[in-house]
Amino acid sequence: DSGVTQTPKHLITATGQRVTLRCSPRSGDLSVYWYQQSLDQGLQFLIQYYNGEERAKGNILERFSAQQFPDLHSELNLSSLELGDSALYFCASSVWAETGHEQYFGPGTRLTVT
Amino acid sequence: AQSVTQPDIHITVSEGASLELRCNYSYGATPYLFWYVQSPGQGLQLLLKYFSGDTLVQGIKGFEAEFKRSQSSFNLRKPSVHWSDAAEYFCAVGGVSNTGKLIFGQGTTLQVKP
Repeated sequence: DSGVTQTPKHLITATGQRVTLRCSPRSGDLSVYWYQQSLDQGLQFLIQYYNGEERAKGNILERFSAQQFPDLHSELNLSSLELGDSALYFCASSVWAETGHEQYFGPGTRLTVT
Repeated sequence: AQSVTQPDIHITVSEGASLELRCNYSYGATPYLFWYVQSPGQGLQLLLKYFSGDTLVQGIKGFEAEFKRSQSSFNLRKPSVHWSDAAEYFCAVGGVSNTGKLIFGQGTTLQVKP
């Protein structure tokens, strides 16, 4: 158990819908990351937050947004869902923002868009 | 642009045999390099990391990796594989700007024969 929790574990929804994925980092970790894992794209970095502020952005679609709240939990919002958004979404956390600090991964949320 | 290549999508080894998983990276500066393992239904777990210093790094579960700058490689090795090592292995490079963003390879699935 990494100490990072993600809810829900599974999510099935229809095209065009909007969903919210939630992540609670390990106690004491200030940085949260979101990654998407799909068969065709592999494991891709989406976005990083550090202490409530956006720190880095990757290949995140405009339909997707995220935020980190004062209690340091984070939410990833996916809207106007398409079939291609079906993937495993991981949250990870680390103590600080820079590389060099181990990222601890949650178990993921499996999103299926039908 | 930074990138990671894992040339072997799938590898099968017999239990007790040695293992080497290949990883090649493209990065302008001295890279931060990582190996993660993902067991079915689980998040990613860090096996080992290289930042600087000794080019042979030891990790958990008996794994080691060697950084070779001249070959832009960071291959993962284990002298004797156990059935429980069957999983997917990801090589990643970090150190992008001042963030914790990781760029992952496509992964190598390891199957262990009894």
